[in-house]
Amino acid sequence: NSKVIQTPRYLVKGQGQKAKMRCIPEKGHPVVFWYQQNKNNEFKFLINFQNQEVLQQIDMTEKRFSAECPSNSPCSLEIQSSEAGDSALYLCASSPGRSSYEQYFGPGTRLTVL
Amino acid sequence: AQSVTQPDARVTVSEGASLQLRCKYSYSGTPYLFWYVQYPRQGLQLLLKYYSGDPVVQGVNGFEAEFSKSNSSFHLRKASVHWSDSAVYFCVLRRAGKLTFGDGTVLTVKP
Repeated sequence: NSKVIQTPRYLVKGQGQKAKMRCIPEKGHPVVFWYQQNKNNEFKFLINFQNQEVLQQIDMTEKRFSAECPSNSPCSLEIQSSEAGDSALYLCASSPGRSSYEQYFGPGTRLTVL
Repeated sequence: AQSVTQPDARVTVSEGASLQLRCKYSYSGTPYLFWYVQYPRQGLQLLLKYYSGDPVVQGVNGFEAEFSKSNSSFHLRKASVHWSDSAVYFCVLRRAGKLTFGDGTVLTVKP
C-alpha cells in the first residue's frame, strides 16, 4: 500500500479564494507528480518535480496554479484564485526515480469550490 | 487522440465469477502499462504493471493481465471475484514520463 500522505482530505473554498494542499511523498521517492481527477474520471497531469526542480508542467499551472517541493518540507499545490471548474480530486503521486515507471498515489485532496 | 481506451464503462458480475476488463492502447513506442484500482473515497492503488518480457503479468489480490502487441491490448483478468473487488479500474499508459489514463471501468460485484 502507498505511503504517500496528502492533507487535507477535503477542502471547501469560495470562488476567488486561495486553495492550498500538501503532499508528503514516500520516503526515498525523489519524484513527485500532481494530477487532477474530475467527476467524470478524467485525469489531467499538472506538474512534476524531482527533488526541488520542476521537470514538466502544463500551461495551466503557470497561471493560477503554483507548486513547490522544498527540501525537508511537504510538497504543495496552491490555486491562487479558485474557480468552480477547479472542483476535483487532486492526487499526488511519488516515484522512486525518473527511470522508474511506477507512481504511487496518495488518497487525494477533494476540493470543492462553491 | 485517445491513447488508452476502456470500452466498457460498467461491468457487473456475480461473486465467484471470472472477470475480464478490457483495455486497448495506442502508442508507437514501447508501452509501459499499468492497471490501477480506485475504491470509493480513496486514491489509486497499483494492481500490476507491464514493461517487457512475459506478456502475462501477475498482480495483487489474484489479478493478472495479458499484454498483446498485435492487438494493442492489455486486458485485466481475475479467476474468481469477491464483493470487495467492487471499484473503478483504470488502465494506464506511461507516456513522456507522465501517466495517461483510460476513462475507467466501474466494476460491481453482486453477492
